[in-house]
Amino acid sequence: GNSVTQMEGPVTLSEEAFLTINCTYTATGYPSLFWYVQYPGEGLQLLLKATKADDKGSNKGFEATYRKETTSFHLEKGSVQVSDSAVYFCALDRSGGYQKVTFGIGTKLQVIP
Amino acid sequence: DVKVTQSSRYLVKRTGEKVFLECVQDMDHENMFWYRQDPGLGLRLIYFSYDVKMKEKGDIPEGYSVSREKKERFSLILESASTNQTSMYLCATGTGGAYTQYFGPGTRLTVL
Repeated sequence: GNSVTQMEGPVTLSEEAFLTINCTYTATGYPSLFWYVQYPGEGLQLLLKATKADDKGSNKGFEATYRKETTSFHLEKGSVQVSDSAVYFCALDRSGGYQKVTFGIGTKLQVIP
Repeated sequence: DVKVTQSSRYLVKRTGEKVFLECVQDMDHENMFWYRQDPGLGLRLIYFSYDVKMKEKGDIPEGYSVSREKKERFSLILESASTNQTSMYLCATGTGGAYTQYFGPGTRLTVL
C-alpha cells in the first residue's frame, strides 16, 4: 500500500539556520506529493505541492523537489524564522484527484531565537 | 477564502455516550473528510464523502459513522464513545480534480 516516512522530531534549530526535513514515500505509479503545515492551535494548510517527477514546489521560502528515482520529497528552507515553528506533514495522493491522501506522522519544528 | 468550521474546539464526554462532531464549509466543495490525529501516527482517514448522502470508509472506520444530508455539512458520529477514541478530530474539504484539502481547526475530544 501507500505510505509516507518522515521523522517525528522535534527538530530544533536556531533562527536563520538551514532546514531539511526528509520525506520518502512508497506508492505504485506516480502519486502527487504535498507538504502541509500545522501551526499551533490550527488545522493543516497546504504549504506546497508537486504533481509529477522533477517538479519543484515552493512557497514562503520553502522548497521541495519530487525525486522519483529516490522516492523522496525533502522539504528545505534556507533560513528559518521563529514563526516557522510548526508541525510539517508530508503526504501523497495516489487517487488521481479524488483526494484520498496518505499523510506522514508529522515533524515538529522548533525555531529558537 | 475557504472557511471550514467545526462545532467545538474542545469536548469532554463519558464512555458510552453518543457523540456528534459537526463540520460546515462555505465553499460548495463536493468532497469532505474526517481524520483523527494522534502523536506518532499522524493523520488517519476515518470516513469521506464525495456527494450528499454518499459516504465511504477510510482506513479506520470502526466505531464511527457519518452523515451528509446537506452539501455543506458533514457529521462524524461516535455511537458509543470509548477511551481509545480520545483524539484530535480534523475535518477537511476539497473539490474534485484539485489537490488541495482545506482543514478546520480541529476538535480535541476527551473520553473519560
